[in-house]
Amino acid sequence: EDQVTQSPEALRLQEGESSSLNCSYTVSGLRGLFWYRQDPGKGPEFLFTLYSAGEEKEKERLKATLTKKESFLHITAPKPEDSATYLCAVRNTGFQKLVFGTGTRLLVSP
Amino acid sequence: KAGVTQTPRYLIKTRGQQVTLSCSPISGHRSVSWYQQTPGQGLQFLFEYFSETQRNKGNFPGRFSGRQFSNSRSEMNVSTLELGDSALYLCASSFRSAGDEQFFGPGTRLTVL
Repeated sequence: EDQVTQSPEALRLQEGESSSLNCSYTVSGLRGLFWYRQDPGKGPEFLFTLYSAGEEKEKERLKATLTKKESFLHITAPKPEDSATYLCAVRNTGFQKLVFGTGTRLLVSP
Repeated sequence: KAGVTQTPRYLIKTRGQQVTLSCSPISGHRSVSWYQQTPGQGLQFLFEYFSETQRNKGNFPGRFSGRQFSNSRSEMNVSTLELGDSALYLCASSFRSAGDEQFFGPGTRLTVL
C-alpha cells in the first residue's frame, strides 16, 4: 500500500534559523511527489512537483529535493509568515490519485 | 482566474441528518476531487469526478456520495451523519486527473452534534 510519512510532526524555529522537513514515501513507481502549504482554516496551496531523483525546485526561501525514497523541503532563513503546515503527497501509480502525509506544522518565531 | 470555490464554508448538523456540499472548480478544469481532513487522519481521498462520471473512489462508506454536472461543478452528499463525520471537507480541481497538480478550495467545516 502506498504510504507517505512526514517528520517531524511539529517544528519550532527562530526567524532566520534554517532547517529541513522530511517526507519519506513507499509507492510502486513514483510518478510525482507534491508539496503543499496549508494555513489554518484554508485549503492547501500548491508549492512544487518533483518527478525524478536528483530533481530540485526552489521558490523564495523554500527548496524541495527528491531522492528515491524521500523528499526534503529546505527552509532557508525562515520568516514568521512561513509558519504553516507543510503537506507532502505522492501520486499513486495505478489509481491516479494523491496520497497525502499528515504534514509538518512549522512555527517560526520572530 | 478565479480559484476553487466551496459553499457553504461552515455547517452544523445533528446526527442522522444529511448534508450537501458544493464545489465550483477552476474554469477549464474537468477533474474534481473531494477530501476529508481531520487532525488524526490528515487528508483522506473520498472520490474523483471527471466528465460527470465517478472515476476513483477512496475507502469511505456508501453514505458518502457525489456527483458532477455538465459545467464541472460538483456536489458531495453525506447521509445519516455520524459524530465522526465532523471534519474539513476539501474540494480540489485539476485539468485532467486527481493525480495531477491539484488546486484546493477553502473547504467546508462540518460539525456534527
